Amino acid sequence: QKEVEQNSGPLSVPEGAIASLNCTYSDRGSQSFFWYRQYSGKSPELIMFIYSNGDKEDGRFTAQLNKASQYVSLLIRDSQPSDSATYLCAVYTGKLIFGQGTTLQVKP
Amino acid sequence: SQTIHQWPATLVQPVGSPLSLECTVEGTSNPNLYWYRQAAGRGLQLLFYSVGIGQISSEVPQNLSASRPQDRQFILSSKKLLLSDSGFYLCAWSPLGTPNTEAFFGQGTRLTVV
Repeated sequence: QKEVEQNSGPLSVPEGAIASLNCTYSDRGSQSFFWYRQYSGKSPELIMFIYSNGDKEDGRFTAQLNKASQYVSLLIRDSQPSDSATYLCAVYTGKLIFGQGTTLQVKP
Repeated sequence: SQTIHQWPATLVQPVGSPLSLECTVEGTSNPNLYWYRQAAGRGLQLLFYSVGIGQISSEVPQNLSASRPQDRQFILSSKKLLLSDSGFYLCAWSPLGTPNTEAFFGQGTRLTVV
């Protein structure tokens, strides 16, 4: 079992819709959870981090964490074509482990 | 402010040749340091991480090695490159002992082994 799992996609949504990205992790001792965005050929950049159960909102982005289910998600409201990128889930367990990423396509 | 430098940006090397990629961090002390590799269309695979000088943890058996000769310097090396070593190599740092903060990435090195 992979430590951090994501559906590779692509996930295609129309402009203005809500995009929902999901991630599961295997280590129950995981302490912190991160969502990164990566444009083609570029380095990942942080969107949000979350470490407590529940929701955390930042602008159009909402991260959700459920430690009992070992599940973390990212919602993007009012999706824009500029949101088209690969979204990487990362989990800190004493080291930072990434999932394989989900490719999001927002169609105008 | 903190910055991370990684070079070179692109590299084309023949099979069997050696490799040395360098990463340095400025503006912070005692960082956690990471080397990741990303194959085309894939996620980030953790290769090595370090919590201090001379302290290197290897995550994946391979023909690569890492060293941390100074607090803010992290080097990725190979004695003989394989075709499968091609990929996008990323160095990252995060503050030591603070897991709730992000990892900051260098610009990456795109390595093509021919």
